[in-house]
Amino acid sequence: EAGVTQFPSHSVIEKGQTVTLRCDPISGHDNLYWYRRVMGKEIKFLLHFVKESKQDESGMPNNRFLAERTGGTYSTLKVQPAELEDSGVYFCASSPGQSYGYTFGSGTRLTVV
Amino acid sequence: GQQLNQSPQSMFIQEGEDVSMNCTSSSIFNTWLWYKQEPGEGPVLLIALYKAGELTSNGRLTAQFGITRKDSFLNISASIPSDVGIYFCAGRTLTQGGSEKLVFGKGMKLTVNP
Repeated sequence: EAGVTQFPSHSVIEKGQTVTLRCDPISGHDNLYWYRRVMGKEIKFLLHFVKESKQDESGMPNNRFLAERTGGTYSTLKVQPAELEDSGVYFCASSPGQSYGYTFGSGTRLTVV
Repeated sequence: GQQLNQSPQSMFIQEGEDVSMNCTSSSIFNTWLWYKQEPGEGPVLLIALYKAGELTSNGRLTAQFGITRKDSFLNISASIPSDVGIYFCAGRTLTQGGSEKLVFGKGMKLTVNP
């Protein structure tokens, strides 16, 4: 089966611009998660979807971040406007249910200059 | 918030040597997980531990879930060059919204010299 796919793999944008990251989970996985690793720090939870519903978005840094999951399939994470501190690697993961192992995507490396 | 203290932060070893790393926390976790990340890839699950005191092996990897549920260690025996990467511990916990999330350590970068 295809794994979790993230696009783009790299993005370099200027401060104040908008960037949209996309995640295609494993087919049939209802649970989709976004995590972020800022340079030198640990990987941190951002939010969790169950199908198209946001189950928990307590990890989202601020209202410049907007996540959606259209029809319970792929998900997008938009950063608008981007700030320098948003730079990092954004990971998406999916699982068939809670308490199951997650499969992570390769991540999107976002650099805001 | 919950934090995992992972040590050491990096290790340089010779091929064939064993390596140990551990994670501790002031919080209790019901599940401990160990992941490996290689350059350009996402974290890949190595071992999952579900019960306090559990000792689990996966090939040359052995991990244990501490009795207090606040710590875990991972051992790699007879290291080989392809063991190179960043190893993360993670604890599974409930979020404020009743969901589940993983809390990660900062990772340990392993270098294996042939």
